[in-house]
Amino acid sequence: DAGVIQSPRHEVTEMGQEVTLRCKPISGHDYLFWYRQTMMRGLELLIYFNNNVPIDDSGMPEDRFSAKMPNASFSTLKIQPSEPRDSAVYFCASTSKLGTVYEQYFGPGTRLTVT
Amino acid sequence: AQSVTQLGSHVSVSEGALVLLRCNYSSSVPPYLFWYVQYPNQGLQLLLKYTTGATLVKGINGFEAEFKKSETSFHLTKPSAHMSDAAEYFCAVSRSFQKLVFGTGTRLLVSP
Repeated sequence: DAGVIQSPRHEVTEMGQEVTLRCKPISGHDYLFWYRQTMMRGLELLIYFNNNVPIDDSGMPEDRFSAKMPNASFSTLKIQPSEPRDSAVYFCASTSKLGTVYEQYFGPGTRLTVT
Repeated sequence: AQSVTQLGSHVSVSEGALVLLRCNYSSSVPPYLFWYVQYPNQGLQLLLKYTTGATLVKGINGFEAEFKKSETSFHLTKPSAHMSDAAEYFCAVSRSFQKLVFGTGTRLLVSP
């Protein structure tokens, strides 16, 4: 299996521009998570989906952030408009049930720089 | 609410020395506990996990951790460090898979 795939790996954009991050989960996984990692705040869960439906978006920082999962094999995280404080590494993860505990598999991340 | 505290943002060891990374958790119910490793410019990879049963858990790359309920700890150890172990290590706690709460991470530095 190719693992969780994220694109792009690096994104540099100017303040005010729209940014779209993409994720392809592992085939057969029915949960998908979006995380953000910064030096100041560490790893934060932004939102997660089950069977393509958003379950908990309480971690989404503000209305400029939105996430969708149109089908089981694709999800996007969009920031519009972007701001310098959005600069971070964004991770996507998907889960596979092992017994009663789900193990999360992480993608390589997208490093976003907003200038 | 659940939380994790990792003592020491950086730990330095010599190659061949014991590795000890500390993790204490706070949970009102029996937790699930995890250690993840992150190599530079990569995503997180699961090292090991504790759910129920045996409190000493063995993971990949020679790492192990012991769940001590009385101390609310889940410290990660490896008897002999290797240069390739240099990475950032994250402890995480969960009661269900939905809310995986991570610690702030500990960067392990291994010197020759």
